[in-house]
Amino acid sequence: DIQITQSPSLLSASVGDRVTLSCKASRNIYNNLAWYQQKLGEPPKLLIYNTNTLQTGIPSRFSGSGSGTDYTLAISSLQPEDVATYFCQKFYGGWTFGGGTKLELK
Amino acid sequence: QIQLVQSGPELKKPGESVKISCKASGYIFTDYAIHWVKQTPGKGLKWMGWINTNTGKPTYGDEFKGRFVLSLEASASTTNLQISDLKNEDTATYFCATSMGITAAPYWGQGVMVTVAS
Repeated sequence: DIQITQSPSLLSASVGDRVTLSCKASRNIYNNLAWYQQKLGEPPKLLIYNTNTLQTGIPSRFSGSGSGTDYTLAISSLQPEDVATYFCQKFYGGWTFGGGTKLELK
Repeated sequence: QIQLVQSGPELKKPGESVKISCKASGYIFTDYAIHWVKQTPGKGLKWMGWINTNTGKPTYGDEFKGRFVLSLEASASTTNLQISDLKNEDTATYFCATSMGITAAPYWGQGVMVTVAS
């Protein structure tokens, strides 16, 4: 089975910072990667799919990139409402989620 | 609008069974599969499996074969997850979700908290 590892597990940043979150697969997942944001008590919210396709309604400060086994979610200018836990997900062949990155304000 | 609405929280004892539901609306129910995801604070998100809403055929993730059953009430646009012989480690929030034809899940239910305690 393909394993997905996210890093870091905890990230502290200031409002306005550019932040990057990483997701690494144990094998090539051919851009089959999505990113979700989850706030306490809510279901995950889809941000990006197919590595870099922004879901409708998601602010353009969020972007995704990567290929093969290595993928990145970037937030160009961190906003207070971006404080949340972020998960990446492999979709085909059974869903697999990364362990999450908790993003907090410094 | 597209919605997945799940049933309410459950408190059960070890060894009991629980059945939680996920009712879809706002789209043709049989067009898209429904997936189920378990979330625990310590172990993140774990995919449990999915059910083909056209045929009723379920597929289970490796960790969820045996005590877990996915079923359909197609006339009610509802999917059910039943867990038997509950264990403490089944304490979690359970989500249903659908992909709506893209390679991700844009629609999720609100989640059902299941607590297993003696």
